Amino acid sequence: DAKTTQPPSMDCAEGRAANLPCNHSTISGNEYVYWYRQIHSQGPQYIIHGLKNNETNEMASLIITEDRKSSTLILPHATLRDTAVYYCIVRVAEYAGGFKTIFGAGTRLFVKA
Amino acid sequence: EPEVTQTPSHQVTQMGQEVILRCVPISNHLYFYWYRQILGQKVEFLVSFYNNEISEKSEIFDDQFSVERPDGSNFTLKIRSTKLEDSAMYFCASSPGLSTYEQYFGPGTRLTVT
Repeated sequence: DAKTTQPPSMDCAEGRAANLPCNHSTISGNEYVYWYRQIHSQGPQYIIHGLKNNETNEMASLIITEDRKSSTLILPHATLRDTAVYYCIVRVAEYAGGFKTIFGAGTRLFVKA
Repeated sequence: EPEVTQTPSHQVTQMGQEVILRCVPISNHLYFYWYRQILGQKVEFLVSFYNNEISEKSEIFDDQFSVERPDGSNFTLKIRSTKLEDSAMYFCASSPGLSTYEQYFGPGTRLTVT
């Protein structure tokens, strides 16, 4: 699996958009970009994933650059409950037996009132 | 919304004892996983399980560890002879199948080995 680089921490004001960057310059053509988050000692929570196109769901938007070497997770209106560690992960799409997730250190997002 | 559940939420055991951590994955999911997180460290993959057998395991998952899906609903992690360094949060996860890859994690079991 390709490696990712994320800033260790970021701050965001409550109600503003949180933009979390991720570099994955060695990503391969068959690797997806996944984002998870972990709120203080809880189990990681899946947020969103994508291959090439930008994606949006009820939680967030994922913007992937055209060369796929970086991406940005956008939380459009951050709340205090979005304070968490956010993990950017790239992973191959095809594997018959399952898809282990390799977590890095992630970005610790602090949402401030 | 369906969710992964884990029991107990906290388990305290003495070194050398056997422990079994239990998980109920989401009912129509096909892939099952265990991860652990030592306090202050990264979440680490332990094992994946599909079609009633281990599909992949990490270096951490040595002979002291075993997994089982005894009755089609529960998914268990057994540690045969616990060590102090096994103290961690243990997370169970499940995922639907080949066409969707996102994993759904349970709330975790905190294992404390004394």
